[in-house]
Amino acid sequence: GAVVSQHPSWVICKSGTSVKIECRSLDFQATTMFWYRQFPKQSLMLMATSNEGSKATYEQGVEKDKFLINHASLTLSTLTVTSAHPEDSSFYICSARDRGLGYEQYFGPGTRLTVT
Amino acid sequence: AQSVAQPEDQVNVAEGNPLTVKCTYSVSGNPYLFWYVQYPNRGLQFLLKYITGDNLVKGSYGFEAEFNKSQTSFHLKKPSALVSDSALYFCAVRAPQGGKLIFGQGTELSVKP
Repeated sequence: GAVVSQHPSWVICKSGTSVKIECRSLDFQATTMFWYRQFPKQSLMLMATSNEGSKATYEQGVEKDKFLINHASLTLSTLTVTSAHPEDSSFYICSARDRGLGYEQYFGPGTRLTVT
Repeated sequence: AQSVAQPEDQVNVAEGNPLTVKCTYSVSGNPYLFWYVQYPNRGLQFLLKYITGDNLVKGSYGFEAEFNKSQTSFHLKKPSALVSDSALYFCAVRAPQGGKLIFGQGTELSVKP
């Protein structure tokens, strides 16, 4: 089946620094990628949707200058958390979709971000 | 607007007993419905989906779900629960033309030996 990877799987960074999370579709071309945020034992909150080669569309309430999303190729999207604060600590999950796969979404394993 | 509700935050089942995790949805038109499972500190794993056709859908790990249009429900079921089924389960809905996945709140399933 279609596989989505994320790197790193966990990261600790100091407050005020930036951290980049990568999301890759390993065996298909992801025309659309999604970034979610999840708090413990809660549902996934969609942060933004990105189409390859286009600017990301952010959900209401998500700061686009803080959560920079780049989808430069059909297999790679990145989420950069800029000037991280402890409240940005969370579990970030990416998902990828391709028209050729019937619009199904495939999820990455997630990245645990801890800001100290 | 589309929405999904999982009325139970937690479901407790004894191993070997049947389990049901409930999901109801609200969507205009014919929905695409999904169930995902999440183990601690992991991403979501696809269990099954309903697109069209037979109302009873069989999925991974012995799970199945029944689509009931009149009750707008898509409950997840398994005839005999395993301790290893303990996890967080999410129901999701999406419009057929490929819009966003809308997730329910999640239901924590606990299966005790």
